[in-house]
Amino acid sequence: GQNIDQPTEMTATEGAIVQINCTYQTSGFNGLFWYQQHAGEAPTFLSYNVLDGLEEKGRFSSFLSRSKGYSYLLLKELQMKDSASYLCAAMDSNYQLIWGAGTKLIIKP
Amino acid sequence: IAGITQAPTSQILAAGRRMTLRCTQDMRHNAMYWYRQDLGLGLRLIHYSNTAGTTGKGEVPDGYSVSRANTDDFPLTLASAVPSQTSVYFCASSNLAGVGDTQYFGPGTRLTVL
Repeated sequence: GQNIDQPTEMTATEGAIVQINCTYQTSGFNGLFWYQQHAGEAPTFLSYNVLDGLEEKGRFSSFLSRSKGYSYLLLKELQMKDSASYLCAAMDSNYQLIWGAGTKLIIKP
Repeated sequence: IAGITQAPTSQILAAGRRMTLRCTQDMRHNAMYWYRQDLGLGLRLIHYSNTAGTTGKGEVPDGYSVSRANTDDFPLTLASAVPSQTSVYFCASSNLAGVGDTQYFGPGTRLTVL
């Protein structure tokens, strides 16, 4: 079957670094997406990885290991506005996204 | 209009009633999607359309129907609503249903079925 696992909730301190992990099992694989979703709002696109390695985009970086079925999202210099849920989604062989339940990130001052 | 709009924003509906959720995009995207989001669960695909005139079933299609008469609009209909259809519904679109194609989401419709 197809499955995405990510932690339910994480807590971090303002100004710190946090890593949100995601493991996936899909029928075929066409890349891994990360989305941010603030409470009561729509998901918004953060990053896409299809090759192994690290993609850096400002304070956010995303890593992919295809052989391990593993990705992480790294958030640096945390700000209070980063408090949100972070959704991991893998694209399967039919180009459909399989979504994790999301990781709620709580930032404390 | 910029991006994707959904209507209504929220709705309370009696069980057994028929309801259509509207979705319109102005990005000329070929593919459109309907998801539901429930607490503790990931987004689940209800129906999708890779191009105008075609539709397909997702993971949880039972009780829902869609149509794609043109590029811009993708309405979702609940023929006879049941309480288990209480959820937040998101419409999304993407340029092409292919590798790396990013999906963009509408603001969502919060539906309560009593």
